[in-house]
Amino acid sequence: KQEVTQIPAALSVPEGENLVLNCSFTDSAIYNLQWFRQDPGKGLTSLLLIQSSQREQTSGRLNASLDKSSGRSTLYIAASQPGDSATYLCAGSLFNTDKLIFGTGTRLQVFP
Amino acid sequence: NAGVTQTPKFRILKIGQSMTLQCAQDMNHNYMYWYRQDPGMGLKLIYYSVGAGITDKGEVPNGYNVSRSTTEDFPLRLELAAPSQTSVYFCASSYSPGTGETQYFGPGTRLLVL
Repeated sequence: KQEVTQIPAALSVPEGENLVLNCSFTDSAIYNLQWFRQDPGKGLTSLLLIQSSQREQTSGRLNASLDKSSGRSTLYIAASQPGDSATYLCAGSLFNTDKLIFGTGTRLQVFP
Repeated sequence: NAGVTQTPKFRILKIGQSMTLQCAQDMNHNYMYWYRQDPGMGLKLIYYSVGAGITDKGEVPNGYNVSRSTTEDFPLRLELAAPSQTSVYFCASSYSPGTGETQYFGPGTRLLVL
């Protein structure tokens, strides 16, 4: 059974720091991998999607990478801002299925 | 486009009561999903649908039922509410698997069963 672990579970940093959030899968047979942001009381917003043929994706200050051989993904946030405060969830899908398996999330707080 | 909409936003149920959580999308997506999120946990798939008239179980389907009579709507039914069903429920939709498109999520329904 595929399980997803996210480390750390929570993180509190001053603004301006560069951050690394980790996500690992027990089964490395991941097809697509996505990172989502969840604000309190809100739904999920997709940040980055790494497709099966890709190894990384970048959007602004965010960069996500996927190492399929180890079943690990990393979300890198550069120059963090208070507006980045949220919970970050990774989710992977297996081959040719759109069913996502979610991690438990990393709760990030960036203070001024 | 409104995207994915869910109603109600919040509901309190007594044990044994029933209710339907509504979900609609206006993006003409074939695939729709229901997830639940317990406090401090990730999302778990309850049911999903690959198109009108077709539904299938996810990881945690017990205690729930779904139907998909139209492309736009995907209601989730709780027949006999139990405290273990206290959770936040999210509906999502996507175009189809393998296209590399993300799932789009609704704002969620917070359910409390007492």
